[in-house]
Amino acid sequence: EAQVTQNPRYLITVTGKKLTVTCSQNMNHEYMSWYRQDPGLGLRQIYYSMNVEVTDKGDVPEGYKVSRKEKRNFPLILESPSPNQTSLYFCASSPGLGYEQYFGPGTRLTVT
Amino acid sequence: SQQGEEDPQALSIQEGENATMNCSYKTSINNLQWYRQNSGRGLVHLILIRSNEREKHSGRLRVTLDTSKKSSSLLITASRAADTASYFCATTRPKTSYDKVIFGPGTSLSVIP
Repeated sequence: EAQVTQNPRYLITVTGKKLTVTCSQNMNHEYMSWYRQDPGLGLRQIYYSMNVEVTDKGDVPEGYKVSRKEKRNFPLILESPSPNQTSLYFCASSPGLGYEQYFGPGTRLTVT
Repeated sequence: SQQGEEDPQALSIQEGENATMNCSYKTSINNLQWYRQNSGRGLVHLILIRSNEREKHSGRLRVTLDTSKKSSSLLITASRAADTASYFCATTRPKTSYDKVIFGPGTSLSVIP
């Protein structure tokens, strides 16, 4: 089954404790992206990747890192999480920019 | 600033009625997509319309695009309770210094049985 998986689905952590949210897709898609969703703000793009080893900043990259060592995986790293990073995070993939995006189920992160 | 802005922010209708949502954007685009999100879940792609298209249909969905007004509308006909969800438009711009997809804040649709 074609899908995008994210782990963990729920995470509660404390300020400053490094964490990684994994994202994996099995559709051989080139384009992958991370979004955060906050009430009233819709989805805002954090980082995206056009292909392996090609990543770039979206609208709200501060406090986040990503890597794309393999085509299928696109982890999101928070080196020192802060409470303003409490949000619902989505990973998405598509064959390329401008194509239909497939979204993961989301990761609800709470930073205390 | 937001590229896509949906209107209205919230819409409540009776089952069987039609629902219309609008999206406005600011710059030229390659295409515009509509997505649906059930509460707290991942977004699901509904339909894509390219900048050279004016109208597109998919089942009970009808999307129009007016590039001169920089706006699009999503019409859901004969709505059902299962259509209750948030709806987002997303735009992709011609290649610039970066390639990204921009989502609007969404329209929350409630269909009352």
